Formats: sequence, C-alpha cells, structure tokens
Amino acid sequence: DTGVSQNPRHKITKRGQNVTFRCDPISEHNRLYWYRQTLGQGPEFLTYFQNEAQLEKSRLLSDRFSAERPKGSFSTLEIQRTEQGDSAMYLCASSLGVGGNQPQHFGDGTRLSIL
Amino acid sequence: AQKVTQAQTEISVVEKEDVTLDCVYETRDTTYYLFWYKQPPSGELVFLIRRNSFDEQNEISGRYSWNFQKSTSSFNFTITASQVVDSAVYFCALSETANQAGTALIFGKGTTLSVSS
Repeated sequence: DTGVSQNPRHKITKRGQNVTFRCDPISEHNRLYWYRQTLGQGPEFLTYFQNEAQLEKSRLLSDRFSAERPKGSFSTLEIQRTEQGDSAMYLCASSLGVGGNQPQHFGDGTRLSIL
Repeated sequence: AQKVTQAQTEISVVEKEDVTLDCVYETRDTTYYLFWYKQPPSGELVFLIRRNSFDEQNEISGRYSWNFQKSTSSFNFTITASQVVDSAVYFCALSETANQAGTALIFGKGTTLSVSS
C-alpha cells in the first residue's frame, strides 16, 4: 500500500511566478486535503475534496490559489503570482470517507521557497 | 470557535525517562474527534491515534498511552521509557462532525520533543 505522494519535494521560484504542485493520494481514498505549514506552526487547512468535488475552502485560500481534482484521483494546487508570504510547506493528505472522521494520511509535502 | 493548545513548545528528556505532552482543546460541538500526529525530522506527519468524544477510555499502545478527559478538555499523550527515535514534533488535532462530510483538522502548534542518550 503506497502512501500519499507529493511532487516536487522542493520548489524555489521568484516572486511573481506561478507554481503548481501535485498530490497522488492513497489509491482507494476518496477524500483529499491540502494544508499549509509554516515554520514552528501546525498545519493549517486550505481545501478539501470528496472525489472530484471541492467541498470546503479555507479563508486562507486567496484568489491566487486554485486546486483541482479532475478525475477524483490526483490533485493539483496552483499558486499564481507568488508572494514572499507563500513560502511554506504544502501538505497533502487523504482519507477513506465512509462516515465519521477517518484518519488523514499525509504525504512528505512540497517545500516552497520564494526568492 | 475550535482551538487546540499545546502549551509546551519544547521538551528535553534523557532516554528512558517518561514524558507527557499536554493538549487542551476548545469546541462547541458535542461530537468531535481528537488526533495525535508525529512529525519526525524527515517531515512526514505520521498518524498515531484517533479518539472520538464519546469514548473516554484511556488507551495504551506499547510505550504510548493517551489520557482523554472531557471534564478538562484535555487529551494528553505519555511516552514511557523514551528513546532517541521518539525525537520529533508532536501535534494534537481536533475535527468536528457537524456536517458529517469529512472535516478539516485543526492542529495545535506542536511540541518538539528531544530525547538524548
């Protein structure tokens, strides 16, 4: 059973550029979550999908952020016109949604550094 | 509003000592879930335990044990006979089930545990 896979592991880009991250969840998991973690803090929720439907978005998800999960399998998170404050670890998690709150299993994350 | 507080920012112990990591939560829901995750230096968050609000039984798993007390809104985590491999950041998290649709985890800021030999 492979875990949640995220790529790239690291991304360095200049301010103002667009970046896209990919997450491949555990294969049978229908729920997929994106979180952001900055140094010394716990992860903060960004958005959540059940299959291909984006059901919840945090206020942290500004207009520059967009997430998709087109076929209910992998997901992408795009940040447009990156800013210094976007530097963080972006974590993806997946869970099996059969009611209640099943444990979320996390990937290794993508570390974004904005120059 | 939901909130998770981990008051201990850093704890340092020597191998074989017991250590307790505190977690206090706030929620207005009567049905909720509490979690502990471990984040080793490699960065991946590892699920340790889930507890629902109706189950106040303490749980033991090897050297790990958890004490859930609704009366004090606490869900503390104890590592017995700590080992160097226990060194990591530990996060307590809360999720509510108001809409039964699968909800976000609200994390505390984490406690960094350093175990020296």
